Amino acid sequence: DSGVTQTPKHLITATGQRVTLRCSPRSGDLSVYWYQQSLDQGLQFLIQYYNGEERAKGNILERFSAQQFPDLHSELNLSSLELGDSALYFCASSVFSGQGSTDTQYFGPGTRLTVL
Amino acid sequence: AQTVTQSQPEMSVQEAETVTLSCTYDTSESDYYLFWYKQPPSRQMILVIRQEAYKQQNATENRFSVNFQKAAKSFSLKISDSQLGDAAMYFCAYRSPMNRDDKIIFGKGTRLHILP
Repeated sequence: DSGVTQTPKHLITATGQRVTLRCSPRSGDLSVYWYQQSLDQGLQFLIQYYNGEERAKGNILERFSAQQFPDLHSELNLSSLELGDSALYFCASSVFSGQGSTDTQYFGPGTRLTVL
Repeated sequence: AQTVTQSQPEMSVQEAETVTLSCTYDTSESDYYLFWYKQPPSRQMILVIRQEAYKQQNATENRFSVNFQKAAKSFSLKISDSQLGDAAMYFCAYRSPMNRDDKIIFGKGTRLHILP
């Protein structure tokens, strides 16, 4: 158990809908990262938050957004869902974010999203 | 751009034997971190081993060891005394602390089968 929790484990929804994925980082970790794992694209970085603020964006679609709350949990919002959004979404957390940081990212169990 | 390449989509090894998974990467940075993550059927991403580029000594974690060749940009994982529980997808990954974001760049993965 990495200490990172994600809910829900599974989510099945229809095209055009909106869903919210939730992540709670390990105790003491200030940074949260979201990754998408799909069959065709592999594991890709979506977005990073550090202590409540967006720090970096990767290959995140405009239909997707995220935020990190004062208690450091994070939510990833996916809207206008398409079939191609079906994937496993991972959250990871680490202690510190910044150039020169040496910390390791620990991954949650993931949320499997199926769009029908 | 940094890239990670795993040229073996699948491998098989007899239980109790030794197997080596290959990984090459491309970067212009001199300081970075390399990882092997394991993803069993449960889909959890588990950190197996980590190597700092500035360390010449190869990292070892119990039955798992790496062969880090910095000049060749090669980072292979050796699993000794393979066990049925080692069956999983293995991802080689890279992260540079000199990047503003802390994103991890993953290879496409190698699926390891353990033959009883």
